[in-house]
Amino acid sequence: NAGVTQTPKFRVLKTGQSMTLLCAQDMNHEYMYWYRQDPGMGLRLIHYSVGEGTTAKGEVPDGYNVSRLKKQNFLLGLESAAPSQTSVYFCASSNPGNYGYTFGSGTRLTVV
Amino acid sequence: AQSVTQPDIHITVSEGASLELRCNYSYGATPYLFWYVQSPGQGLQLLLKYFSGDTLVQGIKGFEAEFKRSQSSFNLRKPSVHWSDAAEYFCAVGAGNQFYFGTGTSLTVIP
Repeated sequence: NAGVTQTPKFRVLKTGQSMTLLCAQDMNHEYMYWYRQDPGMGLRLIHYSVGEGTTAKGEVPDGYNVSRLKKQNFLLGLESAAPSQTSVYFCASSNPGNYGYTFGSGTRLTVV
Repeated sequence: AQSVTQPDIHITVSEGASLELRCNYSYGATPYLFWYVQSPGQGLQLLLKYFSGDTLVQGIKGFEAEFKRSQSSFNLRKPSVHWSDAAEYFCAVGAGNQFYFGTGTSLTVIP
C-alpha cells in the first residue's frame, strides 16, 4: 500500500549542480504533478502530466524539466540548481475527473 | 483566473473549543473544493471534498465544511478541537487538470 513514493527525502546541492527527483505511484493514476511548497506561498504547480509521454508547464516551471516515460513514474530535474530552488517538493497523482490527489511525503531540497 | 484565499495565516484555539477556518475562492464555473491537512514534515492528507449536491460535507477526523456559492466560500469547521489537530490546513479548488491551493492556515491548539 505504497501510494506515492518520492526519492530522495532530503538532499543538499551546491549551486550549479544537477539532480533528479523521482516520483513513483502504484495506483495506476493517469495524472501526476510536481509542486513546490515555500513558507507563506502554499503549494505552487511546477509541471504536470496527463498521461505517459506527456508533460505540461504549471505556474512556476522555470529552471525545471520533467519526464514521464512510464505511467507510474514522474521525474523532476534541476539542470543547474540555484538557491531560489531551495524548497520542499511534493509529487501527487490522480485520475481524470476524480481530483482525489494522493500526495507523496515530500523531498526537502537545500541549495547552498 | 482561479484563485484561493485563506485570510488567516495563523489561528490559535484552546483544546475543546470550536474551530472555523476560512476559505474564499475565485472560479468561473462550479468549483470542486477541497480541504487538506499537513502535519509537520508530512505530505498533505485529504480531509474532505465538495463536488456537487449537499452543500454541507462531512470529512475525516470530525471536520465538516459548508459551500456557500453566494459568498464564494468553503469554510472548514470542527465543533471541538483536539490537540492532535494542530497542523497546517490548505484549501484548494480543482479546475480542469489542476489544483489551486491557498497559502494555508497554521493551527495551534492550546492545552
